[in-house]
Amino acid sequence: DVKVTQSSRYLVKRTGEKVFLECVQDMDHENMFWYRQDPGLGLRLIYFSYDVKMKEKGDIPEGYSVSREKKERFSLILESASTNQTSMYLCASSLAGASTDTQYFGPGTRLTVL
Amino acid sequence: AQSVTQLDSQVPVFEEAPVELRCNYSSSVSVYLFWYVQYPNQGLQLLLKYLSGSTLVESINGFEAEFNKSQTSFHLRKPSVHISDTAEYFCAVSGFLGGYQKVTFGTGTKLQVIP
Repeated sequence: DVKVTQSSRYLVKRTGEKVFLECVQDMDHENMFWYRQDPGLGLRLIYFSYDVKMKEKGDIPEGYSVSREKKERFSLILESASTNQTSMYLCASSLAGASTDTQYFGPGTRLTVL
Repeated sequence: AQSVTQLDSQVPVFEEAPVELRCNYSSSVSVYLFWYVQYPNQGLQLLLKYLSGSTLVESINGFEAEFNKSQTSFHLRKPSVHISDTAEYFCAVSGFLGGYQKVTFGTGTKLQVIP
């Protein structure tokens, strides 16, 4: 079974802090994704990566950056956290980026910015 | 462009009753259709998907969904729900846009099964 793990389940940070969210997958998947999930808005794509060191903006990239130095690891960075970034963050991976691919999700990180 | 509409944000239903969760989509390219489920305090996991062939697809726990191209719908049904089906259900479409796989999720439907 594919396993996607995220470094923290819950995180509390202060406004202006730099925040790192880590995601690791163990099935040699090419593609990795970061979403945020908010009530009533569903999942919105922040960034995705289709290869090591490659990244593409999703629908809501403002205020975020990402890093993918190794195939299995995809990091989301909040350069200066703000209260409107309080949300649930979900990482996902898929095999090769085909439209038929299933996405496999981690358990999520609930981030609160005070 | 592509979009997904789940009109019902919450659906309460009594245990052992049937349920239908509605999903409509639009897309400028050919798409594949998915239903994902999110149990409390967990990430999303695949429930079922339509790729090709028979328009009726089934999951291992009794859910089914029918792809209707003319109505651009992919409604999810179960003839008799169980308490353990309480979860949030997300419909998603996946297409190839701008050179990449693009997955668009609906806003989710919370299924509450009442004992």
